[in-house]
Amino acid sequence: GAVVSQHPSWVICKSGTSVKIECRSLDFQATTMFWYRQFPKQSLMLMATSNEGSKATYEQGVEKDKFLINHASLTLSTLTVTSAHPEDSSFYICSAVQFTEDYGYTFGSGTRLTVV
Amino acid sequence: AQKVTQAQTEISVVEKEDVTLDCVYETRDTTYYLFWYKQPPSGELVFLIRRNSFDEQNEISGRYSWNFQKSTSSFNFTITASQVVDSAVYFCALSEVYNQGGKLIFGQGTELSVKP
Repeated sequence: GAVVSQHPSWVICKSGTSVKIECRSLDFQATTMFWYRQFPKQSLMLMATSNEGSKATYEQGVEKDKFLINHASLTLSTLTVTSAHPEDSSFYICSAVQFTEDYGYTFGSGTRLTVV
Repeated sequence: AQKVTQAQTEISVVEKEDVTLDCVYETRDTTYYLFWYKQPPSGELVFLIRRNSFDEQNEISGRYSWNFQKSTSSFNFTITASQVVDSAVYFCALSEVYNQGGKLIFGQGTELSVKP
């Protein structure tokens, strides 16, 4: 089945630094990927839609300059949290959608970001 | 706009009890998909079921069953004879295929605790 690899699984960074999270589709081409953020005891909130070769579409309230999304190839989307602050500490998870007969989503395993 | 409501934030049952998790959705699209996912403490999302808007047949998979009723815009999930291993957060989600570019929107989640 389809597999999405997300790295790193967890990361601790200092306040003010940037962190990059990678999401790779291993055995299929992902033209569209989604990035979610999940705070403890809360739901998955969609941050942005990432389309290969074009600019990401951000959801209302998500800072484009803070959460940089790049989808340069059909198998890789990256999320960079710039100038991270403690309030950015969260669980980030990516997902690739397949618009095929077997319509569905494949999720990465998530990245737990802690900003100290 | 698409919306998913899981009114039950937390449910606690004793092992072997049956439990139903409610899910109500809103959509203006006639073509959509509904999903249920399980999220154990490790954080990864485990796919349970997908149902498209044209298929109202109920589904049973082992101890799990789903009741899809378009008339009430509900897609409820029942676990029969619950087990401790069923303890997790369960999310219902909705995808409008054509109007929202495949965005998957999650409900608030229901945390199920099954006690021995």
